[in-house]
Amino acid sequence: NAGVTQTPKFQVLKTGQSMTLQCAQDMNHEYMSWYRQDPGMGLRLIHYSVGAGITDQGEVPNGYNVSRSTTEDFPLRLLSAAPSQTSVYFCASSYSGTGVYTGELFFGEGSRLTVL
Amino acid sequence: ELKVEQNPLFLSMQEGKNYTIYCNYSTTSDRLYWYRQDPGKSLESLFVLLSNGAVKQEGRLMASLDTKARLSTLHITAAVHDLSATYFCAVDGEYGGATNKLIFGTGTLLAVQP
Repeated sequence: NAGVTQTPKFQVLKTGQSMTLQCAQDMNHEYMSWYRQDPGMGLRLIHYSVGAGITDQGEVPNGYNVSRSTTEDFPLRLLSAAPSQTSVYFCASSYSGTGVYTGELFFGEGSRLTVL
Repeated sequence: ELKVEQNPLFLSMQEGKNYTIYCNYSTTSDRLYWYRQDPGKSLESLFVLLSNGAVKQEGRLMASLDTKARLSTLHITAAVHDLSATYFCAVDGEYGGATNKLIFGTGTLLAVQP
């Protein structure tokens, strides 16, 4: 079972460069989201999506773009990388489906990004 | 703005002892989650609490939710070294909704010493 797959797992960028973190899930989950994790700050929500074609901002959206053209994919774009974006990024998905909605998130393995 | 606070932030305990981690949140919510994270790893779902008074238990861990007090507890019974990890609570940012907007606490680093 693949679950939530993130690529790349590690990346080093220079300030000002752009890149895309990929996230794909094969569980037919409607909800997907991106978090960043920094020491002492827990996880902070960057962007989220409740379905294909629908995205919204979370707690810390500045400097990041997202789109959701398919149910399976939710890429996160860094437009012009800054050292403050050095972090571990987690993609997560959740199922709304039929029955009781729990909102339980299923996380990918994480992408560790360093911006020099 | 929803805030989620955990305490303690760091907990060193001996094997065999009991302890409780507290999770307080600032606005009305009816969904609370507990996750575990091992160093360098992803987050693993432990408990999903969906109503006031909900109690879930798995092995040496028991979680409860009091929505009136806006408080959840994670109780550890007779700790063992394998429980060493960082524990996060998270609250759904939309009361009564379904948006995937989980707001996380800063985590409690648990170190169980032999």
